[in-house]
Amino acid sequence: SQQGEEDPQALSIQEGENATMNCSYKTSINNLQWYRQNSGRGLVHLILIRSNEREKHSGRLRVTLDTSKKSSSLLITASRAADTASYFCATANTGTASKLTFGTGTRLQVTL
Amino acid sequence: DAGITQSPRHKVTETGTPVTLRCHQTENHRYMYWYRQDPEHGLRLIHYSYGVKDTDKGEVSDGYSVSRSKTEDFLLTLESATSSQTSVYFCAISEGGANTEAFFGQGTRLTVV
Repeated sequence: SQQGEEDPQALSIQEGENATMNCSYKTSINNLQWYRQNSGRGLVHLILIRSNEREKHSGRLRVTLDTSKKSSSLLITASRAADTASYFCATANTGTASKLTFGTGTRLQVTL
Repeated sequence: DAGITQSPRHKVTETGTPVTLRCHQTENHRYMYWYRQDPEHGLRLIHYSYGVKDTDKGEVSDGYSVSRSKTEDFLLTLESATSSQTSVYFCAISEGGANTEAFFGQGTRLTVV
């Protein structure tokens, strides 16, 4: 079963708008990671946020983590057509230092 | 791109035949993973390795075996391929397991007919 569940499953916005994707998980975690996957390609790591962190930034990306609600959000500001991809959250659960568990992803479409 | 190579990139095989997929890394990372990706299930872990000859099962390991005889190579074998194993298979590597970022290969598209 999936640990992370992304919401929405699909999102369509226009270039320049912000895109927000959410991830909910079920068990205690050590960290949560976000990945991007372009069509037909492998996943690319975007950002890692540890369980004792609440917010993290990387360029146009902003990730928040609320461990009390077991949820995270990924905000992409000023989106570009090149941001069109699927976005996945992945959790490193407490007690399993080796494995990442992925959600089912959000498909983002950015149109001109 | 991290030095990960998956081979083959595409394969069509018949039901009941054994199939081996190879993942090769040049990063000397300790951890290596095999995932399968299906539209309805997302990315699911099949097996992983935390060192040479050290492997463990993931959530969908039935029908699959792995071997890691040296740091750079991680092999995934479908012992007797079935149509339900038609999928895209991804290898990933990580220096520090789940506590560090993972780097993914380009994937192998396997079709079992």
